[in-house]
Amino acid sequence: SQKIEQNSEALNIQEGKTATLTCNYTNYSPAYLQWYRQDPGRGPVFLLLIRENEKEKRKERLKVTFDTTLKQSLFHITASQPADSATYLCALDHYGGSQGNLIFGKGTKLSVKP
Amino acid sequence: EPEVTQTPSHQVTQMGQEVILRCVPISNHLYFYWYRQILGQKVEFLVSFYNNEISEKSEIFDDQFSVERPDGSNFTLKIRSTKLEDSAMYFCASTEQGLGTTEAFFGQGTRLTVV
Repeated sequence: SQKIEQNSEALNIQEGKTATLTCNYTNYSPAYLQWYRQDPGRGPVFLLLIRENEKEKRKERLKVTFDTTLKQSLFHITASQPADSATYLCALDHYGGSQGNLIFGKGTKLSVKP
Repeated sequence: EPEVTQTPSHQVTQMGQEVILRCVPISNHLYFYWYRQILGQKVEFLVSFYNNEISEKSEIFDDQFSVERPDGSNFTLKIRSTKLEDSAMYFCASTEQGLGTTEAFFGQGTRLTVV
């Protein structure tokens, strides 16, 4: 069956360090992969989208990689700050980006300590 | 910054009652979605809506659920006879193009508590 795994439920790091979050999937061939941030009691907020033919995407302190051979995406936050503390969700398109839907992983809760 | 708005922010209802959750998607978006998140669990897809009809629905979206776009701005989710297990955060989302190809804008959610 199809599965998305974000293999750390929680990640604690020191301010200024780089946080690296992992998303693995099985039995999917997504054309797109997205990362969202979710704060407690709030809706997901879009961060980055990467296509299957892109290896890497950057936006300010954020970087996403997408390895379709390993079926894995890595999400990096460089120079992390306490304000980056949140749950980060990986999401895959279900039907190749048509009128389909996004399937979410359970998320990794990041805590950045000052 | 455009945003998706949802009302109410919190709804408490008795088991067996009908509830309607309301959403105003971003005005130039064409695709609309409902997701839910049970406390401590992942965000789950319920239904997608395009061109005034359901384009896809999950197995969660059974006959108790329905969606409607009653006018040019609102998008509603109705649960006909609520059960305890319907208690969750319900998120509305909208996109310019099909979900997956572009960023999704989510509302802040409606917390539904069924007692």
